[in-house]
Amino acid sequence: KAGVTQTPRYLIKTRGQQVTLSCSPISGHRSVSWYQQTPGQGLQFLFEYFSETQRNKGNFPGRFSGRQFSNSRSEMNVSTLELGDSALYLCASSLVAQKNIQYFGAGTRLSVL
Amino acid sequence: EDQVTQSPEALRLQEGESSSLNCSYTVSGLRGLFWYRQDPGKGPEFLFTLYSAGEEKEKERLKATLTKKESFLHITAPKPEDSATYLCAVQAGGGTSYGKLTFGQGTILTVHP
Repeated sequence: KAGVTQTPRYLIKTRGQQVTLSCSPISGHRSVSWYQQTPGQGLQFLFEYFSETQRNKGNFPGRFSGRQFSNSRSEMNVSTLELGDSALYLCASSLVAQKNIQYFGAGTRLSVL
Repeated sequence: EDQVTQSPEALRLQEGESSSLNCSYTVSGLRGLFWYRQDPGKGPEFLFTLYSAGEEKEKERLKATLTKKESFLHITAPKPEDSATYLCAVQAGGGTSYGKLTFGQGTILTVHP
């Protein structure tokens, strides 16, 4: 069974640009969560989607947004990039029947110059 | 606010030297406590989930235990391939916890041959 797939693996952008990251969950998983990982703050929750609906959101500015499609694939978008947005962005999927165990992808490394 | 504190921040062991990692938490109604392993450049890999005080889980050289305030990850006779960052996370009960894990800063384990 294929794991969580995130694309692209690496991105370099400049300040002010916007970026879209993609996540394909494990087959059958309908919940997708996004996290930002930085050396200083560790892993921080961004938002969660289930059946195309955002059910939960972390403490990030409105520049961070996401969506989920009918096939459970998810995208997150960051507009007006800032230097501080440089981070590893991780996507995780879960199956409610498995008591919400989250399985992570390899992440997208975003560098903002 | 949910909080997770891991100690020590870094741990160096000789191959075969057993030790424990600590995860202290405060959460409003624990839904689950999760241990992950993260290798450099990769996403977190699920190890264990614990749901109630007194619960224990084992996998190869690792054993996780849970009390009402903390969890321990015991490593017996570690090998160099056990070197990684070990992350602890909690999920709170209630609707606001959908898809949200609160992570500690992690313990960087290095096992020397």
